[in-house]
Amino acid sequence: AQKVTQAQTEISVVEKEDVTLDCVYETRDTTYYLFWYKQPPSGELVFLIRRNSFDEQNEISGRYSWNFQKSTSSFNFTITASQVVDSAVYFCALTSGYNTDKLIFGTGTRLQVFP
Amino acid sequence: EAGVTQSPTHLIKTRGQQVTLRCSPISGHTSVYWYQQALGLGLQFLLWYDEGEERNRGNFPPRFSGRQFPNYSSELNVNALELEDSALYLCASSLGEQYFGPGTRLTVT
Repeated sequence: AQKVTQAQTEISVVEKEDVTLDCVYETRDTTYYLFWYKQPPSGELVFLIRRNSFDEQNEISGRYSWNFQKSTSSFNFTITASQVVDSAVYFCALTSGYNTDKLIFGTGTRLQVFP
Repeated sequence: EAGVTQSPTHLIKTRGQQVTLRCSPISGHTSVYWYQQALGLGLQFLLWYDEGEERNRGNFPPRFSGRQFPNYSSELNVNALELEDSALYLCASSLGEQYFGPGTRLTVT
């Protein structure tokens, strides 16, 4: 069975704090892809990153960084020096197999950044 | 480049009615996905269309159906609406990663 767990329902931080959003996944496939999406209050899901199962290299994009560890089946997302505009619901998602297929989403983590 | 577009933005229907939601993918994308985001249920996969054919279907009753047109746009049809169909319906298109539209918020009263 495929599953994505985001144990943190809601996180509140003050601006400029660093924050890490956890994501744990389950799959029996050896080839799979992991994603993070941001959903601001407007409702639209904004694509942030895609990683494949063969690439465990961590990635940094500006204030965003991702830590992929197959040993712990985790794909955590860190925002450095958080800003009020980072306030949103963040979803981790998984798709398995060689073909683009349905995304299996976690339940999301609501991040609130206060000024 | 234009993103995924969906129409209408909001919709209010009565239980038992039928509704059609529309989605236009990003130019060049042949795959279209539909997801339902209902309160308390998270994001659930509904349907996947590629090259005009239904490729996969989520765990939803047959009254949820759709189609994809030759220009790759798609429709989602929901018959015999129930109160629990109230949700945000999101469409995505893909050539690899899925890019989402703004969604259609459906309220069933």
